Amino acid sequence: NAGVTQTPKFRILKIGQSMTLQCTQDMNHNYMYWYRQDPGMGLKLIYYSVGAGITDKGEVPNGYNVSRSTTEDFPLRLELAAPSQTSVYFCASSPGDTRHSTDTQYFGPGTRLTVL
Amino acid sequence: KQEVTQIPAALSVPEGENLVLNCSFTDSAIYNLQWFRQDPGKGLTSLLLIQSSQREQTSGRLNASLDKSSGRSTLYIAASQPGDSATYLCAAPPGGGSNYKLTFGKGTLLTVNP
Repeated sequence: NAGVTQTPKFRILKIGQSMTLQCTQDMNHNYMYWYRQDPGMGLKLIYYSVGAGITDKGEVPNGYNVSRSTTEDFPLRLELAAPSQTSVYFCASSPGDTRHSTDTQYFGPGTRLTVL
Repeated sequence: KQEVTQIPAALSVPEGENLVLNCSFTDSAIYNLQWFRQDPGKGLTSLLLIQSSQREQTSGRLNASLDKSSGRSTLYIAASQPGDSATYLCAAPPGGGSNYKLTFGKGTLLTVNP
């Protein structure tokens, strides 16, 4: 299994441009997540999905959109890039254990985004 | 709202030393707590997940403990090696809430010197 894959690895955007960060998992996990990590800070949850067709906002959703049309894919869309969106973005997935107590998240390698 | 704090922010030790990393959380009604490792420029790797019904979880030289009553967890690393150098993050879900809305600490940057 490749696990969680993300593309691109690096990207530089100009203010106002749009882009989509791709995320794919091959573990048949129900849950998927998008986080951002700013220097010296912990990860902040942007959006998450508990299954195909179901998405919900996390702690910092403003300026982003997501969709989940398949179990495997969970793209993150930036519509009008702003310098405040300069960050490292991580996608993650988890089985979605209904018992809650044992659900471990598996992370992709990240996308480093700079908005100038 | 769950808040997670990690102390110290950075730690430098000589090879072979045993060490403890600390994590505190504000809402103790959690289902579990997780410890992750992050290497520079990489994603996170799950190290240990401690269920609320457990007090400890071990994997090799790593031992994590959970004390819900005091809102604390510790990660103990025995006989540290240079390869252990990384940032260690703990993460806790909302108290009584779904496991997937994790709150992460800022991490402890560990350097093990040969």
